[in-house]
Amino acid sequence: DSGVTQTPKHLITATGQRVTLRCSPRSGDLSVYWYQQSLDQGLQFLIQYYNGEERAKGNILERFSAQQFPDLHSELNLSSLELGDSALYFCASSKVVGTGANVLTFGAGSRLTVL
Amino acid sequence: AQKVTQAQTEISVVEKEDVTLDCVYETRDTTYYLFWYKQPPSGELVFLIRRNSFDEQNEISGRYSWNFQKSTSSFNFTITASQVVDSAVYFCALSDVYNQGGKLIFGQGTELSVKP
Repeated sequence: DSGVTQTPKHLITATGQRVTLRCSPRSGDLSVYWYQQSLDQGLQFLIQYYNGEERAKGNILERFSAQQFPDLHSELNLSSLELGDSALYFCASSKVVGTGANVLTFGAGSRLTVL
Repeated sequence: AQKVTQAQTEISVVEKEDVTLDCVYETRDTTYYLFWYKQPPSGELVFLIRRNSFDEQNEISGRYSWNFQKSTSSFNFTITASQVVDSAVYFCALSDVYNQGGKLIFGQGTELSVKP
């Protein structure tokens, strides 16, 4: 158990729907990262939060949004889902940010299937 | 641009063989960090090693060893006497210090299959 908790583990939904993925970081970690893993794109960075504020943004679609709450848990919202959004979504956390020395601890992932 | 290339998509070996996974990176940072992660069939990503750009000493941890060569921008990973449990996808990653976020940029991964 890495200490990073992601729910749900599996999610099946239909095109056009909206889903929310939840992440609780490891105790003491202030930074949360979201990654998408798909067969064609590999592991793609989506967005990062540090202590409630957005810190860095990757190739995140406008249909996707995220936030980090005061208790440091984070949610990734995916809306108007398309078949191509089917992927494994990882959350990771780290203690510090900005130095590049961060060791990211990953959760087990949320597997989203869009039918 | 920041980039990590793992040219080997799949490698298949027989148990007890040695195997090297290649990683080549590109970065504009003078200080940077390189990582290897393992993704077993169960799906989670497991941290293996972090190396900073100022330390070119090779590192050994049990059957695992890493060779960092700044001159060739490579950070290769060798498994000695491979075992079936080593079967996994291995990712090399580079920290994106330039953007101050410290996020990791991953290579495409190398799927290692170790057969008994």
